[in-house]
Amino acid sequence: EAEVAQSPRYKITEKSQAVAFWCDPISGHATLYWYRQILGQGPELLVQFQDESVVDDSQLPKDRFSAERLKGVDSTLKIQPAELGDSAMYLCASRPTSGIVNEQFFGPGTRLTVL
Amino acid sequence: GNSVTQMEGPVTLSEEAFLTINCTYTATGYPSLFWYVQYPGEGLQLLLKATKADDKGSNKGFEATYRKETTSFHLEKGSVQVSDSAVYFCALSEQWGAQKLVFGQGTRLTINP
Repeated sequence: EAEVAQSPRYKITEKSQAVAFWCDPISGHATLYWYRQILGQGPELLVQFQDESVVDDSQLPKDRFSAERLKGVDSTLKIQPAELGDSAMYLCASRPTSGIVNEQFFGPGTRLTVL
Repeated sequence: GNSVTQMEGPVTLSEEAFLTINCTYTATGYPSLFWYVQYPGEGLQLLLKATKADDKGSNKGFEATYRKETTSFHLEKGSVQVSDSAVYFCALSEQWGAQKLVFGQGTRLTINP
């Protein structure tokens, strides 16, 4: 069964350092999402891509976060510089182009700890 | 804006007990509604969904009915198992626009043998 891949699974960094997360969606899924899940809360959308274009990045802290999906397939989320409050699980999800229902498939996530 | 509210957790039950996790939502139009489950150290898995009023989503013994009159989508299971221990998230997808998922805060469920 096809799955969304993410790496690394865990990342520990010091504040002010740069970190990057990678996501490979299910093959053929044109829509890709990055969510941030703070411990004890539900995921919140950071950015949504349709192919290589950003559809919604209204909740992305653009002073330190950036996201790209250059060829419309895999995607990278970067934080520079990392802050203590960025400690969270970063989840990637994808969705097929067709289909009426917005059913998203999630990867295992990257757990970030900022010291 | 759109929002989802879940019952406060954590919830602890004995095996074979009846489960209800309440979920209510605020949204314009006719959103789709979902329950996702998250096992320790893993990402979210779709448990069930409903796309219109009075639809009943079901999977693995879990059920939830889309109630537009009460703006609710409560999750139920008649007899829980230890393996059901996880965090459960209620979510909605906007009917229009980017259709992002809006999640509740999650309910941690622990089933004791």
